[in-house]
Amino acid sequence: EADIYQTPRYLVIGTGKKITLECSQTMGHDKMYWYQQDPGMELHLIHYSYGVNSTEKGDLSSESTVSRIRTEHFPLTLESARPSHTSQYLCASSWGKNYGYTFGSGTRLTVV
Amino acid sequence: AQKVTQAQTEISVVEKEDVTLDCVYETRDTTYYLFWYKQPPSGELVFLIRRNSFDEQNEISGRYSWNFQKSTSSFNFTITASQVVDSAVYFCALSAPRGATNKLIFGTGTLLAVQP
Repeated sequence: EADIYQTPRYLVIGTGKKITLECSQTMGHDKMYWYQQDPGMELHLIHYSYGVNSTEKGDLSSESTVSRIRTEHFPLTLESARPSHTSQYLCASSWGKNYGYTFGSGTRLTVV
Repeated sequence: AQKVTQAQTEISVVEKEDVTLDCVYETRDTTYYLFWYKQPPSGELVFLIRRNSFDEQNEISGRYSWNFQKSTSSFNFTITASQVVDSAVYFCALSAPRGATNKLIFGTGTLLAVQP
């Protein structure tokens, strides 16, 4: 049973629409992350959070934004979707400094 | 600078063959952690193993084994008697926690295809 949940699993949306990808975890982890994975498999960190009201941009520039109002919730928003945003988005969380990540199942986004 | 290199982009084997996935890392930190993740076609990343820099003992878990060698900065992963269900993308990752951060640096992944 997953401890970190992402919805929707698949999303096809038109250009210019606003979308929010949901990510929730039930483990009480303080750190959460968003990765973008292109078809070439490589994972790119686009946002991370150390805790409530803390968000930072990752290594890959992204037009998306995130918020962390509650420990368990870390949604990602695209104000105006474009075809270049078509990708898989993976959410993850971790506890403390010395542990790996627990990943959600991902959202496969297609912008047409 | 921290970096993880997985030189093998794709590997194809026939079922029951043994296969080794290579991982080479770079870091200046003396304390760090290494990981392997599996990503099946369904898309989620599944944690396989975590190893800290002070523990060079090799590890075996069923058909999986890991060879950590600090002298060559490598953390290779071997699957013995591969099965079709092992077909996936495998990622090696490095973490050198500093301050409040805990960012994982991923390699580019190796796509393993096990043919029946």
